[in-house]
Parts: sequence; structure tokens; C-alpha cells
Amino acid sequence: QSALTQPASVSGSPGQSITISCTGTSSDVGGYNYVSWYQQHPGKAPKLMIYEVSNRPSGVPDRFSGSKSGNTASLTISGLQAEDEADYYCSSYTSSSTHVFGGGTKLTVL
Amino acid sequence: EVQLVQSGAEVKKPGESLKISCKGSGYSFTSYWIGWVRQMPGKGLEWMGIIYPGDSDTRYSPSFQGQVTISADKSISTAYLQWSSLKASDTAMYYCARISLTETHDYWGQGTLVTVSS
Repeated sequence: QSALTQPASVSGSPGQSITISCTGTSSDVGGYNYVSWYQQHPGKAPKLMIYEVSNRPSGVPDRFSGSKSGNTASLTISGLQAEDEADYYCSSYTSSSTHVFGGGTKLTVL
Repeated sequence: EVQLVQSGAEVKKPGESLKISCKGSGYSFTSYWIGWVRQMPGKGLEWMGIIYPGDSDTRYSPSFQGQVTISADKSISTAYLQWSSLKASDTAMYYCARISLTETHDYWGQGTLVTVSS
């Protein structure tokens, strides 16, 4: 069970949009609409930002959106703000009835 | 309000045993899976395994099968993660999280820092 593949880092200026990809296989990302995204600030527990590919929990700004095509899911943050600077992780349910995380992406707001 | 409260930081020596806990409240503890996630210093999240407190059904990541034991005591709404013989490489922050009906880690504990050093 390999980790999902994410870019190590992305960056953007305030107000811009960025997209973080998350690539898996047909046994995880491609096989189920159970892809989630988490935000983690330094020293803090992860926070759920997107579930079931594109749904936002209550309280998460609509600047955060998710999508999926084939074996790749994506998180898009529009109107970047300084407080969005954090690590982002994707996760997926798998055909083994387990879960797997991506390696994580460090977002820098320039 | 859903809450997961984890036990405090631990400092142990290699070879020692350890059991850390995660107490759930504000929801039906027996109706949701609880998962454990490792984060080694400066590294990413690693999914370890899950337990369904209702019947103690347990699933492990292949990477952690045989290395740790996940259990739960539904009478006190608490899940556990335990080691029989710690190694220095077990040094990490460990998080518990509730798994929602949509296979999402929707609520997280505050984390338990485990340090293993001689």
C-alpha cells in the first residue's frame, strides 16, 4: 500500500489560486469517491477541509474546493490568504478497506 | 460536541512497553471507527489502522501490522494504541481520529508525543 503522490511544495501570492494534486491508483483514489483533504499548521492536529472529493465541512471557506479525474484528485485554493500557509494532505479509502495518506504538500504564501 | 482527548506525552526507553489512549465523547462511540495516525518528526501523516469499538473489528496498514496493537474499551469510550517493545524509530506524534460514515477522518485528537530514547 503505497502513499498517494503529492508535490512536495507549492507556492502562490496572496489573492492567487493554487492547485495541489494527489495521485493514486484504481484501488484507492480512482476506485472510490472517498477522497479527503486535511490542513495542518505547525504543531497542530490536522483539520478536515474537504471530504468525499468535493464537499466542504461547515466552517471551511468556499475558497477551498476539491475535484477528481481518474486516479488523481485535486485541491484548489482560490484567493490565497496568509493563513492558508500550511501543510496539506490528501487521503483515500482503499480496496483493502483501509485508508492511505498522501506524502503531504507544503504551501507557501509569498 | 464531538471530542477526542488523548493521553499525555510519554518518554520511554527502547524495549519498554507502552499503551496510549484516546477517549471519545459527544457521539455514539460504538458506531464509528477510530483510527490511529503516526507523524514522525518533520514528516508526513501515516495511516496505521482502525478499530470499530462496537465489535472490536480491527484493520491495519501492512506497514504497521504486527508492530502495534489497536484495541478499545467501549464501556469507557476509549481506544488504545500499544507497543510491546518500543524502538527509537517509534518516536513520533500519534493522533487518533474518528472515521465518519463517508470514510473521512472528521474529528481528531490533540496528539500524543511518544519519545523513545536510551
